[in-house]
Amino acid sequence: ETGVTQSPTHLIKTRGQQVTLRCSSQSGHNTVSWYQQALGQGPQFIFQYYREEENGRGNFPPRFSGLQFPNYSSELNVNALELDDSALYLCASSQGGTGASNEQFFGPGTRLTVL
Amino acid sequence: QQQVKQSPQSLIVQKGGISIINCAYENTAFDYFPWYQQFPGKGPALLIAIRPDVSEKKEGRFTISFNKSAKQFSLHIMDSQPGDSATYFCAARVWAGNQFYFGTGTSLTVIP
Repeated sequence: ETGVTQSPTHLIKTRGQQVTLRCSSQSGHNTVSWYQQALGQGPQFIFQYYREEENGRGNFPPRFSGLQFPNYSSELNVNALELDDSALYLCASSQGGTGASNEQFFGPGTRLTVL
Repeated sequence: QQQVKQSPQSLIVQKGGISIINCAYENTAFDYFPWYQQFPGKGPALLIAIRPDVSEKKEGRFTISFNKSAKQFSLHIMDSQPGDSATYFCAARVWAGNQFYFGTGTSLTVIP
């Protein structure tokens, strides 16, 4: 059973640029959630994808968008990057729907720095 | 608005001592309360979790105490070890949307 993987590990961008972060969910999981973790803070929920559909969104602007693919991997896209977007972006996978599990498994994160 | 309030921000405990971290919430729609452990450079890992119909859950050296009427829950780490030094987050889930809300974290240092 493979765990949750994220790429890239680190990324440096400048203000106004766009970025795409990737996540491969754990085998057998159909739900992916994305979180933003600022330095010294807890993770903040961005949105969740269940079976390729957005299934809940936190308090983040529309320039944060996502996708989930048929193999349940996912992308997080952030447009018009701002300095405050600098953070660790975490992906978590879980099993939703019938037979849903409470537990979500986190990847190691992508560290995004916006200059 | 912080949906889950966590304290203390940092904690220093002697090896063998008890570490206690507290969390409080207001939203009665929360139905699942996990604790996560995070080491530097890693994602959070589930440590132990509880549902609101149970007042206490113990797994090894880790215990969650849950007070539904006070809307508070806490993590107790018995016989704390240097390897327990990490950041701990409490969280709460709203079932509708399966959204998790995290506390701000507690940095635990266990001194040998």
